[in-house]
Amino acid sequence: GQQVMQIPQYQHVQEGEDFTTYCNSSTTLSNIQWYKQRPGGHPVFLIQLVKSGEVKKQKRLTFQFGEAKKNSSLHITATQTTDVGTSFCAGSNDYKLSFGAGTTVTVRA
Amino acid sequence: DTEVTQTPKHLVMGMTNKKSLKCEQHMGHRAMYWYKQKAKKPPELMFVYSYEKLSINESVPSRFSPECPNSSLLNLHLHALQPEDSALYLCASSQAGQGHYGYTFGSGTRLTVV
Repeated sequence: GQQVMQIPQYQHVQEGEDFTTYCNSSTTLSNIQWYKQRPGGHPVFLIQLVKSGEVKKQKRLTFQFGEAKKNSSLHITATQTTDVGTSFCAGSNDYKLSFGAGTTVTVRA
Repeated sequence: DTEVTQTPKHLVMGMTNKKSLKCEQHMGHRAMYWYKQKAKKPPELMFVYSYEKLSINESVPSRFSPECPNSSLLNLHLHALQPEDSALYLCASSQAGQGHYGYTFGSGTRLTVV
């Protein structure tokens, strides 16, 4: 079945630094979505990427979809304490959405 | 209204109890989902309803029984649960199914089975 692998599982970041989380699928995806779950909260939809090679930005967040539509990345610049939580990628194969394991971020001031 | 509302927010039940989780959305979404999430894990798909019909059942034990009374409501009936079923149960909806649209999640029901 479809699997979406996400790394790293944990990221401890100094405030102000940049970091990237990566997702890889074993199969070609029709789209990839990104969600953010704050501690004690629920997943919140951030963005969907559909086209090969697509790049989208949301303030300090840059999302990329690979040319082969099998991988994606989320790059966060100038990490803030408000960035704590878990980011999940989720890949669609036109049947269902499969979530990656998530990258949990902690920030040291 | 851009929310998915889940009730109750917290539930403690015994292994012989019967309870129901409720979910409601008024965004006109035609796909609704139940997910189970354990601590430090991603959401795990349980059921998908598309146009009020059950389209995916991820081999969930029969002690979990979903119901979709209409396009805005989704229930999850619980019976004879086990302690390992304790988790956050999330309802979500999307414009249509098959992963083509982003999901709106409710805030979840935190279930403890004792």
